[in-house]
Amino acid sequence: EAQVTQNPRYLITVTGKKLTVTCSQNMNHEYMSWYRQDPGLGLRQIYYSMNVEVTDKGDVPEGYKVSRKEKRNFPLILESPSPNQTSLYFCASSLSRWSPEGTDTQYFGPGTRLTVL
Amino acid sequence: AQKVTQAQTEISVVEKEDVTLDCVYETRDTTYYLFWYKQPPSGELVFLIRRNSFDEQNEISGRYSWNFQKSTSSFNFTITASQVVDSAVYFCALSEPNSGNTPLVFGKGTRLSVIA
Repeated sequence: EAQVTQNPRYLITVTGKKLTVTCSQNMNHEYMSWYRQDPGLGLRQIYYSMNVEVTDKGDVPEGYKVSRKEKRNFPLILESPSPNQTSLYFCASSLSRWSPEGTDTQYFGPGTRLTVL
Repeated sequence: AQKVTQAQTEISVVEKEDVTLDCVYETRDTTYYLFWYKQPPSGELVFLIRRNSFDEQNEISGRYSWNFQKSTSSFNFTITASQVVDSAVYFCALSEPNSGNTPLVFGKGTRLSVIA
């Protein structure tokens, strides 16, 4: 089954304790991205990756790191989490960066609800 | 800069009513893509439709239909004969392929409640 998986789905942690949210896709997609969803602010992009070893900042990258060492995985790293990073996080992937044929359609993982105390 | 506006924050309808969710977008590019996603109470984001800027044909999929009008920069979504299972937050999103990155820029969403 084609899917984007995220782990953990729920996490409660404390300020300053490093954590990693994993994202994996089994569709051989090139493009992967992280978004956060906050009430009143909607969904905003954190980081994205065009392909292996190619990553770049989105709209709200502060406090986050990513890596893309393999095509299928795109972990989101919070080196020193703070309460303002409490949010719902989504990983997304698409076959290509963009395409008239629609292979740029982004499919989302189930979300990770993070609470930083 | 690209922007998506969903002016309706919340809508409540009675089951079997038709409902239209509005989406207005701003872009300077001539090539762009528009999307609708559904977020049910369970929280996942479900892809509904993608439309490119060169295709203004309206689309119908079962009870769902979409009206794309470039003249008014709108991409509205209509649910016919709504059902309780349609209750969700619906997001309109825009992507500009020529911008270098292709983030989806989302509207703030419209929360639809269908009451039995």
